[in-house]
Amino acid sequence: DGGITQSPKYLFRKEGQNVTLSCEQNLNHDAMYWYRQDPGQGLRLIYYSQIVNDFQKGDIAEGYSVSREKKESFPLTVTSAQKNPTAFYLCAIKDRGRSTDTQYFGPGTRLTVL
Amino acid sequence: SQELEQSPQSLIVQEGKNLTINCTSSKTLYGLYWYKQKYGEGLIFLMMLQKGGEEKSHEKITAKLDEKKQQSSLHITASQPSHAGIYLCGADIVGNTGKLIFGQGTTLQVKP
Repeated sequence: DGGITQSPKYLFRKEGQNVTLSCEQNLNHDAMYWYRQDPGQGLRLIYYSQIVNDFQKGDIAEGYSVSREKKESFPLTVTSAQKNPTAFYLCAIKDRGRSTDTQYFGPGTRLTVL
Repeated sequence: SQELEQSPQSLIVQEGKNLTINCTSSKTLYGLYWYKQKYGEGLIFLMMLQKGGEEKSHEKITAKLDEKKQQSSLHITASQPSHAGIYLCGADIVGNTGKLIFGQGTTLQVKP
């Protein structure tokens, strides 16, 4: 979706370093999500936020942290505590339609730990 | 074990052939989403199904949700090279939380 931006597209990190992935949206949606994608495992939910200043852990939150200080921004920090951080990270927003809700995804950030 | 099983994991078809991808859950699905992904890119939303027996079509792609709301199929008619990619099903199994679980994905190659 053109209204969701993730940066950078590629990120390299040395072991032991924290790194922050950016997710921005200009669509005025309340709910935002972070997923991790590994080969052969589909997507897994890391954290989600349904409103500003509030967020909840997903299925694999250990080693990650988030903040939601502004409606348009939901940055994800991959900490040194995350044992296998190399993956493709996807941010999504939830569009509350008239009868159904749909999640739309950003272009993703590929993180590689060297 | 995967809560949402997709099959097959990969598929190679000749251009012009029809194909079907399946997505199965042991739990009732409150919403079933189909996405397409090119390698290294974000997910593109295709269709969302919510009611048992529902069927939706977009161009040459048709998705169905069974009456029990535990199985969905994605059918592509007369496949083209532009259909190649990874197809993922995602599902809301809790209801109205926005928390989705995903299948492992099906990689489709279409040979010209």
